[in-house]
Order: sequence, then structure tokens, then C-alpha cells
Amino acid sequence: GAVVSQHPSRVICKSGTSVKIECRSLDFQATTMFWYRQFPKKSLMLMATSNEGSKATYEQGVEKDKFLINHASLTLSTLTVTSAHPEDSSFYICSARLAGGVKETQYFGPGTRLLVL
Amino acid sequence: KNQVEQSPQSLIILEGKNCTLQCNYTVSPFSNLRWYKQDTGRGPVSLTIMTFSENTKSNGRYTATLDADTKQSSLHITASQLSDSASYICVVILPPYYGGSQGNLIFGKGTKLSVKP
Repeated sequence: GAVVSQHPSRVICKSGTSVKIECRSLDFQATTMFWYRQFPKKSLMLMATSNEGSKATYEQGVEKDKFLINHASLTLSTLTVTSAHPEDSSFYICSARLAGGVKETQYFGPGTRLLVL
Repeated sequence: KNQVEQSPQSLIILEGKNCTLQCNYTVSPFSNLRWYKQDTGRGPVSLTIMTFSENTKSNGRYTATLDADTKQSSLHITASQLSDSASYICVVILPPYYGGSQGNLIFGKGTKLSVKP
């Protein structure tokens, strides 16, 4: 099946620093990737939709200047958390859309655990 | 409003026993429904996918059912194993042409399953 990787798997940073998370589709090209955030014992919340070669579409309430998304190629999207604060600590998961008619779906990465001290 | 409700919220069973998880949805229009397994600290992994016209789908010890008339789905796990301990998430997928982001996913909050020896 389709494989999506994320790097790093976990990161600890100081408050005020920026953190970049990479999402790669390893065996297919993804014109669209999605970024989610998941707090403990909560469901995944869509943050933004990343389209290759164009600006990301952010969900309501998500600050685009704080969560910078770049989709430079058909296999790579990056999420940069700028000036991170402790409340940004969360589990960030990306997914890549594999087009396939009525059964098109998204394949999820393994997630990145971010802890901001 | 598009919603996906899962029950129970959590479940504890003994190893070797069977269990059934429920999912009710009010999503329309409907493209397909997926059950995902999410281990703690990992991204979701797809178990089954069903379109409107399919009413059952099996993947090893996992069997999903779908009743599109009553908008209910279930996931049955047979002969549970310790490794089945995880959160099981029901996700209803909107058609890509239906407003908003392409391939919108509507997530349930998941059922946390614990299998005890």
C-alpha cells in the first residue's frame, strides 16, 4: 500500500524557536497533502490542505503565519511551526491524497510529536 | 451538520474474545467510509474501506459492515489479540467535488480498545 513518512518522529524545542516537519509520499505522487493536529484523547483536527505549487488552504482558526506550509514537490510537504509556544505541543500528522475515483482516500504518516518547553 | 458518532468511547475485553464497535453518521453526500486503527503515538492505518453500495468488507480478523439506509457501520474484531489494543476511528469521506477541501474526511472520536491477557 501507499507509504507516507514524516520526519522527525519527535522533537523537543525551546519556546520561541521554529520547528520544521517534513511529510513525504514514498511510492506515489500526491498533488494534495493534509496536515492534522491531534491533542491527547482527541480526534484528528484538520489544520490545512497543502496543494503542490500553490498556497495552502487553512482551516478556520489556524494561523497561517504561525504554521507555514510549503508543498514544493509532488512528494514533499513541510509544516513549519514558527515561534513555537508550549500550547503548540501536540501530535502533528500529515496525510497524502491518492486519487482513485470513489475509493480515493488519504494515507497517513506516522506522526510527529512536538514538545515545546 | 456532518457528524460521525462512535460508541462505545472505550472498551476493555479479554484476549481471545470478540467485540463490535459502532459508528453512526449523518454525512451527506457520502463517498466512502473507512475504519482506521491508530496505535498510541502513531498515525492512523486503514483497515477497511466501503462505498455506498458495499455492505461488508473483511480484512483478516476485522470485518466492517455498512448500512447506508440507517447510516450505520460496525467493526467486528474476532479472536482479539493483545496487539489489537488501539483506538479505532470511523471516518466518512465526502466526494472530492463537494465544496471545501478535496477529499474531506469527517472523523469520529474513536473507540479506545484495550485487550487484556
